[in-house]
Amino acid sequence: NAGVMQNPRHLVRRRGQEARLRCSPMKGHSHVYWYRQLPEEGLKFMVYLQKENIIDESGMPKERFSAEFPKEGPSILRIQQVVRGDSAAYFCASSSGRLYEQYFGPGTRLTVT
Amino acid sequence: QKEVEQNSGPLSVPEGAIASLNCTYSDRVSQSFFWYRQYSGKSPELIMSIYSNGDKEDGRFTAQLNKASQYVSLLIRDSQPSDSATYLCAVFEAGSYQLTFGKGTKLSVIP
Repeated sequence: NAGVMQNPRHLVRRRGQEARLRCSPMKGHSHVYWYRQLPEEGLKFMVYLQKENIIDESGMPKERFSAEFPKEGPSILRIQQVVRGDSAAYFCASSSGRLYEQYFGPGTRLTVT
Repeated sequence: QKEVEQNSGPLSVPEGAIASLNCTYSDRVSQSFFWYRQYSGKSPELIMSIYSNGDKEDGRFTAQLNKASQYVSLLIRDSQPSDSATYLCAVFEAGSYQLTFGKGTKLSVIP
């Protein structure tokens, strides 16, 4: 499967715990984007990364959220001290040099109890 | 703040009919336009892209773009029950890195 991979697909965390979401881009893609989809809301951009660099994090909440895309391994979206309002579907997308053609992974559905 | 507006629906059409989905955007700098299909509980799937004014056809799908009116639409001919999904309009501004999405239009094709 050469598509975008995300894991886990479902994640349940209690309030105050940490959530780690992983994304492996499509083969040949070096650009990774994270989007969040709240219930009954549209997809919202969070962050854009290339290997070892955060290029645009204008959509990331200022606190508790961080992202990385190391030289080796998947991109990781980390949410510290989760709250119920963090419950959402988190989608990763990747692209080649044509940044506008973004292909989405299956998503991670985070539930905070 | 760039905005992308879509009617939330639901839009119901009978099987075999043409479904027409509309989208307007607020930013005149937007240059690339996309339609994604999202089945319930699934991820968005890119189905059409359009970059210049006019029509672009791909199978049963036709995308139409009018930059002067800041309007993009998607026509689905010979609608099938399997087309029942939420359709997301997305725009991309040159020099940016993000897609801006509308909230989507829910389409139901009635057998």
